[in-house]
Formats: sequence, structure tokens, C-alpha cells
Amino acid sequence: EAGVTQFPSHSVIEKGQTVTLRCDPISGHDNLYWYRRVMGKEIKFLLHFVKESKQDESGMPNNRFLAERTGGTYSTLKVQPAELEDSGVYFCASSQAAGGKTQYFGPGTRLLVL
Amino acid sequence: SQQGEEDPQALSIQEGENATMNCSYKTSINNLQWYRQNSGRGLVHLILIRSNEREKHSGRLRVTLDTSKKSSSLLITASRAADTASYFCAFYSGGYQKVTFGIGTKLQVIP
Repeated sequence: EAGVTQFPSHSVIEKGQTVTLRCDPISGHDNLYWYRRVMGKEIKFLLHFVKESKQDESGMPNNRFLAERTGGTYSTLKVQPAELEDSGVYFCASSQAAGGKTQYFGPGTRLLVL
Repeated sequence: SQQGEEDPQALSIQEGENATMNCSYKTSINNLQWYRQNSGRGLVHLILIRSNEREKHSGRLRVTLDTSKKSSSLLITASRAADTASYFCAFYSGGYQKVTFGIGTKLQVIP
């Protein structure tokens, strides 16, 4: 069974540019989550999709971040325009069902904004 | 704050020794999980312990949960160099399914 995949693995962009991260969850997993780890800090929740609907987006830092999950399959997280403080590792996770089930994480995308 | 706090934040031991990491949290939880992250890799789920459980084993891993003290510990016995990684506690709380993570413990096992 293929795990959660994320693309790209690394991205280096300049302040003000746009970056789009992609996450492909495990097939059949309705729940998809985005998390972010800023350098030296804890991993923080960004948002949660159930199929194509945003269940909880309380962790989204500001309106420069836009997440989509059209068709309820893969998801994208766009940062526009990127700022220096957006640098970090962005993790995606998926789970089969709600109710505190195990979330399976992808390898993360390392974003560096210069 | 619902953030978990791991203790210690960094730990260096010799291969074969046991490693103990602690995690504290501030709110009631549904369950608590431990994850491992090897350098440059994603988070790997290690073990889940429910709020009504006190101890759980999985191979060389032993997790305890004390809900009265709002703390959990992860013990890795007979450590190996391959155990070198960052370890995070994470927990579910409330009605939604988001996971709250701690800062993590960076474990180095010296061969």
C-alpha cells in the first residue's frame, strides 16, 4: 500500500513568490490534514479536510494560505505571497476515519523563503 | 495551551542503554500517540495509548499514561543506532481530529 506522498520534497523561493505544495493521501482515506513545523518549534495543525470539505481550518495562519482538495483526492496548499516566516516543513497526513484514528504522515515538504 | 511538552529536548545515550522520554500536556485527551521522525524523513507512527489505558507495549517500546498527572512516557529498551531520531508525543482532544504535537525529543544513540 502506497503511503502519503508529498511534492515537492524541497522548495526554495524568494519572498513575495508563490509556492504550491501537493499532498496525495493514502487511497481511500477521507481525512486529510496539513501541519507545519517552523524551525525549532512544535508541529502545528493547519487544517483538516473530510473528503473535499474543510472540517477545521482553525490553524491556518492567515489569508496568504489557501488549501484545496478538489474531488476529495489530493490536496494543494498554496502560499501567496510567501514571507520569510513561512519557512519550515509542511507535513500532510491522512486517516481512514474520524474518531482519533491513526494519522499517516507524508515525508514533508521543506520550504525555504529567502 | 494544549501543546505537549517533551522532556528532555535532547538525549544522547550509548547503544544498548534504555532511553526514556516524557511528555506532558495541559488538557483532557482522547488518546496520546508517539511518533518518530528520522532526519529528512516523515513522521512515523509508533504507538497509540487510549485515555483509559495506563501502559502499552510494542516490541522494544513501552508507553505509560498518567491522566491524573497529564503525562506520558516513552521507554525504548536496548537502544540501537537506528533509533537515532526525533520523537514527538501527540494527542487528540476535543471533537475534531486535529493532532496537537509537542516540540519533540532529539535522541542520539551512539554506536
